[in-house]
Formats: sequence, C-alpha cells, structure tokens
Amino acid sequence: DTEVTQTPKHLVMGMTNKKSLKCEQHMGHRAMYWYKQKAKKPPELMFVYSYEKLSINESVPSRFSPECPNSSLLNLHLHALQPEDSALYLCASSQEFRGNTEAFFGQGTRLTVV
Amino acid sequence: EDQVTQSPEALRLQEGESSSLNCSYTVSGLRGLFWYRQDPGKGPEFLFTLYSAGEEKEKERLKATLTKKESFLHITAPKPEDSATYLCAVQAVGAGGSYIPTFGRGTSLIVHP
Repeated sequence: DTEVTQTPKHLVMGMTNKKSLKCEQHMGHRAMYWYKQKAKKPPELMFVYSYEKLSINESVPSRFSPECPNSSLLNLHLHALQPEDSALYLCASSQEFRGNTEAFFGQGTRLTVV
Repeated sequence: EDQVTQSPEALRLQEGESSSLNCSYTVSGLRGLFWYRQDPGKGPEFLFTLYSAGEEKEKERLKATLTKKESFLHITAPKPEDSATYLCAVQAVGAGGSYIPTFGRGTSLIVHP
C-alpha cells in the first residue's frame, strides 16, 4: 500500500477563516512533507517533518502552521490567507528524509481563497 | 545552484508514436533521480527511482534511463491514457546535509488517438 490520503479534496475559504488540511499515511514512513503547487508549475516544498519534528521550513509565512501529531498524521493549519495562496496543496511521505528514497504523494487539496 | 531542466516543455504524439522525454541536471553528489506522472488536479504518481549512471527501469510502456548528466523517459507505442505531465526530481546532498529534491518544470504529454 503506497497510499497517502488527504482531506478535504476541495476547500474554499475566506480571508478571515481558519481551516486545516489533513494528511495520513500508514506505510511506516518517518518523513512527511507539505508542498504547494500552482498551475503549470512544479511542486514547491513548504515543510518537512522527520520523526515528527520539523526539519525544514522553507521560509513559509506564519499564516501556514504545520503540525505532526504522530508518525502517521500531518496537518496544515491555515489562517488569514490571501487570494494568492490559492493552489493545490500536496502532502507526501518517504521512508526517511536523509535517505535516498522516493516520496509518495497524496491527491492534494485544491484550496481557493476568496 | 542545483539545476533540473526538462525538455520538451510540451509534446504531442499520435497513438503508437514512440518518443523520449529528457531531464538534464547539474548537481554534485546525486543521490537519486525520480520520475513522476501527474494528471491534472491530482498529486504526482511515483514511477521510477534511478541511482547511478547506466541504470534502467521499465514499467509497461515506460522505460527510464540515467547517465551522468541526464535521464530519459522513453515511451513506446503510447496510448491516449499516457497523456499527463511527467515530472523529474533530483535529490542531492545540499547545504547542511539536506536532501531536498529539486523538481523540473515537467513535460506535458498529449497522445492523440
């Protein structure tokens, strides 16, 4: 099973709303990632968690707040977003962060900020 | 700075017309090169990992190869369902020992029946 599950699939939120994106994997992977992808662009790394600790924050604005409650779950809390934050948000996982292993992606959450 | 360049940007083929996609890279200390397929509005689907020059991997109509400077994704007798964007990602040891993969911009493939 190489499945990474993301919920919700679609989300529309106002600029004053607070919402959360959720991601789950049961492959025993110890690295989990959040990516942002705009149309016709490659995925852009936002955060990396390794063994449930935040390892990488690619200078992401504080209106995005990641959380890793346990080794299988990853959340992305959203608050006071801007319309330019509208994008496909992708979660991924891999066996290790510092290993030479491929990442498996979820199907993404299509976020629209109005 | 690590660079990953994919070409062509877009490719249109007739069903059954074989072709190749290219991913060239300039990184030091390559740890792995990954190919993904991405359908519109969906997450990337993992296809292959290549680790060293000369390595080849196959899956159905797809074959990935790796040299010291580039990788090719060969598509033999493609079908319309092979239409997608194909992404290449390169993983190298970066500053501070990080392993952040660098993605190319992708090749958008359309196969006409």
